Amino acid sequence: QSALTQPASVSGSPGQSITISCTGTNSDIGAYKYVSWFQQHPGKAPKLILYDVSTRPPGVSNRFSGSKSGNTASLTISGLQTEDEADYYCTSYTGITTLNVFGTGTKVTVL
Amino acid sequence: EVQLVESGGGLVQPGGSLRLSCAASGFPFSPYWMHWVRQGPGEGLVWVSRINSDGSTTTYADSVKGRFTISKDNAKNTLYLQMNSLRVEDTALYYCVRGLGDKQVDNWGQGTLVTVSS
Repeated sequence: QSALTQPASVSGSPGQSITISCTGTNSDIGAYKYVSWFQQHPGKAPKLILYDVSTRPPGVSNRFSGSKSGNTASLTISGLQTEDEADYYCTSYTGITTLNVFGTGTKVTVL
Repeated sequence: EVQLVESGGGLVQPGGSLRLSCAASGFPFSPYWMHWVRQGPGEGLVWVSRINSDGSTTTYADSVKGRFTISKDNAKNTLYLQMNSLRVEDTALYYCVRGLGDKQVDNWGQGTLVTVSS
């Protein structure tokens, strides 16, 4: 199972909105509604910020939103803040007999 | 509070073995699927293995199939990863991750570092 494709880096100024894409195939993102997004700060464990494409766990800011169209999922961060500077990974369910697959990761820089 | 605490990592020579453990607390361990995910130095996240709630079904990445074995002791609230025939490319931080249903994951441990080197 190949990794999902994400842009290596995305940047924005404080207060702006940015969108990170996550492109897969019709065997993963295109087939299921089980796309999640994780935020990872340097030296820290990943933190779940979205699941089921667009559902936020308790305590996660509503500045994070998600969507999916065809084989591509997207994470939008609105009102960009300095603490949003981190690596972001998407992941998708791929079926009962295979492991889920991660995206290649995107480094978000707040200018 | 959900806690996942990994242990068992260390330095091992190629061809050697290690057994990772993950002690779970703060939630009822038995009903949960559990996962191991690794992250090489400066690299991205890679799924290693998954086990269902009662331990009867396991899935592995092709890169570790036949060398790694995942298991789950619900009586001890502990997840394991037996790693045999270790290779240099297995060097990574290994995370224990709790399942969110049977299709996603939510909570992560802090990881245990495995270094395979001669």
